[in-house]
Amino acid sequence: GESVGLHLPTLSVQEGDNSIINCAYSNSASDYFIWYKQESGKGPQFIIDIRSNMDKRQGQRVTVLLNKTVKHLSLQIAATQPGDSAVYFCAENRRGISSGSARQLTFGSGTQLTVLP
Amino acid sequence: NAGVTQTPKFRVLKTGQSMTLLCAQDMNHEYMYWYRQDPGMGLRLIHYSVGEGTTAKGEVPDGYNVSRLKKQNFLLGLESAAPSQTSVYFCASSSGGATGELFFGEGSRLTVL
Repeated sequence: GESVGLHLPTLSVQEGDNSIINCAYSNSASDYFIWYKQESGKGPQFIIDIRSNMDKRQGQRVTVLLNKTVKHLSLQIAATQPGDSAVYFCAENRRGISSGSARQLTFGSGTQLTVLP
Repeated sequence: NAGVTQTPKFRVLKTGQSMTLLCAQDMNHEYMYWYRQDPGMGLRLIHYSVGEGTTAKGEVPDGYNVSRLKKQNFLLGLESAAPSQTSVYFCASSSGGATGELFFGEGSRLTVL
């Protein structure tokens, strides 16, 4: 079946460097993508989202890039800080067929980002 | 603002026992979801609800039941727990609309022996 996956399970970066976390998706009908951050022992926390009619979206220190041609999504974190250490999940949205705006998200398996001092 | 609250946070069951996980949200959200998270895997949707009195199956619904009798509460039940249901369970809610951002609780860790 169609799924969302990540290229690398772990990523280590030096504090202050930029981080790039990649994600591949295969459902061409997906129209919405989200990045979540999950710290140890906590629930996922929304970082940034992007709709399929956009290629790039920027937030505070984060940028999401969407390449629909190769079905690739990336999350860029500028000036990575120790507090950025967490597992990062990308998720694609499969809109419910008859459920209004309920989001049936398909999550990737996550990338563990470790920020080195 | 409490957001999404799950109870209990930890539970150990024996095979065949039943239990209910409670999720409460104070954001007046229409949509609520139950996910499970297993090691090395992303979250998988069990059941969800688009409003009070409604429920629908997600990706992995077998062995679970849900109820949404009140808008603010979404209950996840295990009638006869199995070791395969050992997992961390997350509840989430959303207001719907264009963004669809999900707000998650902190999780309930369930161990079935």
